[in-house]
Amino acid sequence: AQSVSQHNHHVILSEAASLELGCNYSYGGTVNLFWYVQYPGQHLQLLLKYFSGDPLVKGIKGFEAEFIKSKFSFNLRKPSVQWSDTAEYFCAVKGSGNTGKLIFGQGTTLQVKP
Amino acid sequence: DTEVTQTPKHLVMGMTNKKSLKCEQHMGHRAMYWYKQKAKKPPELMFVYSYEKLSINESVPSRFSPECPNSSLLNLHLHALQPEDSALYLCASRLIAGVPSYEQYFGPGTRLTVT
Repeated sequence: AQSVSQHNHHVILSEAASLELGCNYSYGGTVNLFWYVQYPGQHLQLLLKYFSGDPLVKGIKGFEAEFIKSKFSFNLRKPSVQWSDTAEYFCAVKGSGNTGKLIFGQGTTLQVKP
Repeated sequence: DTEVTQTPKHLVMGMTNKKSLKCEQHMGHRAMYWYKQKAKKPPELMFVYSYEKLSINESVPSRFSPECPNSSLLNLHLHALQPEDSALYLCASRLIAGVPSYEQYFGPGTRLTVT
């Protein structure tokens, strides 16, 4: 069965620090990968996605992620975080089949100190 | 319109009550999803509808009953819930037609408390 693993459960950074959140997935054919963010009290929003092509994907709010097939990884990065980036971050992979089922990682809580 | 709306935002119900959650989207998406999310946890898939037909039921107890009356609406009927069912219930939708796009658009959720 496909699975997603996020290694960092809780990350605390100061503003302007660089961010990298790890995400590894189990192989399951064609890979469709996502990072979603959930700000406090708000709904899940798509940060970025990878389907094919350039393995370096740029998303909203200055985030980017790199798909490394050999490592089964899709790590999220941001060069300089802001206090407003405090949120829960979920990595997800599309499950097998055509229902579009998403398999989520356990999430990483990011706390940015002003 | 790129929004998924959910009503109500908050719901408190007793274990003997019957209530319904509503989800609506007008993006022409033909796949709709119900998720349950506990605090600081990822969303757990409950049901998937494709073209208004139930395609996935993730072994959800029968006290949760989904309904998709048309391509824009998704309901979740609740009956005889337990306190452990208290959670944020999320609805999502996805475009099926054309080039496959598996990104899901999420609504704000209904915060359900069962007393």
